[in-house]
Amino acid sequence: DAGVIQSPRHEVTEMGQEVTLRCKPISGHNSLFWYRQTMMRGLELLIYFNNNVPIDDSGMPEDRFSAKMPNASFSTLKIQPSEPRDSAVYFCASSSPGGRAVFDEQFFGPGTRLTVL
Amino acid sequence: AQKVTQAQTEISVVEKEDVTLDCVYETRDTTYYLFWYKQPPSGELVFLIRRNSFDEQNEISGRYSWNFQKSTSSFNFTITASQVVDSAVYFCALSEASQGAQKLVFGQGTRLTINP
Repeated sequence: DAGVIQSPRHEVTEMGQEVTLRCKPISGHNSLFWYRQTMMRGLELLIYFNNNVPIDDSGMPEDRFSAKMPNASFSTLKIQPSEPRDSAVYFCASSSPGGRAVFDEQFFGPGTRLTVL
Repeated sequence: AQKVTQAQTEISVVEKEDVTLDCVYETRDTTYYLFWYKQPPSGELVFLIRRNSFDEQNEISGRYSWNFQKSTSSFNFTITASQVVDSAVYFCALSEASQGAQKLVFGQGTRLTINP
């Protein structure tokens, strides 16, 4: 079974450019999460979706960041305009809440390493 | 507010030694969930275990074991007879039912190095 798929795996861009990160969750999972990992701040939840609907975007750093989930099998995280401080590894994760448990564990993608020059 | 503290930033041991990674959490909820994830040098995050606040039973899975103690708000992870392949960064995480249970807060991680 394919896990969470993220693209690109590496992205190098210049300050001011638009960056789009992509994620395909595990088939059948209905929750999707975007995280950012930096040395200074560790792993932070940016936003998550249930059934394609954004539930909590309180972790999105500022208006330059936006995320969409147009369907159950695809999500994007966009940064416009990008800045050097956005350099980080961005992870997408998915899970399948339901049943007796309120939620299930989150399965992470391989991450996208973003470098903004 | 929820918080996870992993006081050990780095640990280095020799292969076959036992090692314990500490995790202390803070929460006001009575219903919450605790996790451990492993991040090997390749970078991906691998789920290891989930525990809910009503289940204080310790768990053993092969060389891995977890000790959950609500009295001390700790959820420690022990690797027995460590191997070089155990070298990774290990993260403890917490989610609260009142926050929708899906919002994971991670500790800063413990970098574990197993030397041959």
